[in-house]
Amino acid sequence: EPEVTQTPSHQVTQMGQEVILRCVPISNHLYFYWYRQILGQKVEFLVSFYNNEISEKSEIFDDQFSVERPDGSNFTLKIRSTKLEDSAMYFCASSVGRGRVGTEAFFGQGTRLTVV
Amino acid sequence: DQQVKQNSPSLSVQEGRISILNCDYTNSMFDYFLWYKKYPAEGPTFLISISSIKDKNEDGRFTVFLNKSAKHLSLHIVPSQPGDSAVYFCAARDLNTDKLIFGTGTRLQVFP
Repeated sequence: EPEVTQTPSHQVTQMGQEVILRCVPISNHLYFYWYRQILGQKVEFLVSFYNNEISEKSEIFDDQFSVERPDGSNFTLKIRSTKLEDSAMYFCASSVGRGRVGTEAFFGQGTRLTVV
Repeated sequence: DQQVKQNSPSLSVQEGRISILNCDYTNSMFDYFLWYKKYPAEGPTFLISISSIKDKNEDGRFTVFLNKSAKHLSLHIVPSQPGDSAVYFCAARDLNTDKLIFGTGTRLQVFP
């Protein structure tokens, strides 16, 4: 069964450093997302990406964050200068489309980011 | 801003019995609702969904009911199995946006 894969599974970084979280969405999917879950809190939307551009972003997704689909298969989330409060589980997701058909987003297993 | 609420943080059910997980929402623009299941250290796994034009959707042991007038949906699992023990998230989507709004989750424990 096709699945969304994320690497690494766990990333430890020093405050102020840049991190790149990587994702390979399901191959025939067209919409890509990043969500995060801070420990003990709910899953929160960060950004959606379609047709090589951001289609929507939350207030969390400030100038420190960026996304890219560099080669047609990978989908990356970059945090330029990490803060302690960026520590969370980051989930990549993809879906065939939006609307009633293909609305279901399939999630990767997550990358645990720890900022020290 | 809790547009999607799961008021029960946990639920404990005996194997073989019915599990009922509840979810309430406030945004009348939500058009599509989904349930995800999550095991520790894994991503959410899509379980079942329902469009706002329906009031019931069934898939095997899982049935989702939607009451639009009450802005309430529920997930029924019957019969419950120990492998169903996980955190269940309700999520909702507004067709005008791409994002899913998640509830805080309900931890289901199915005991023998």
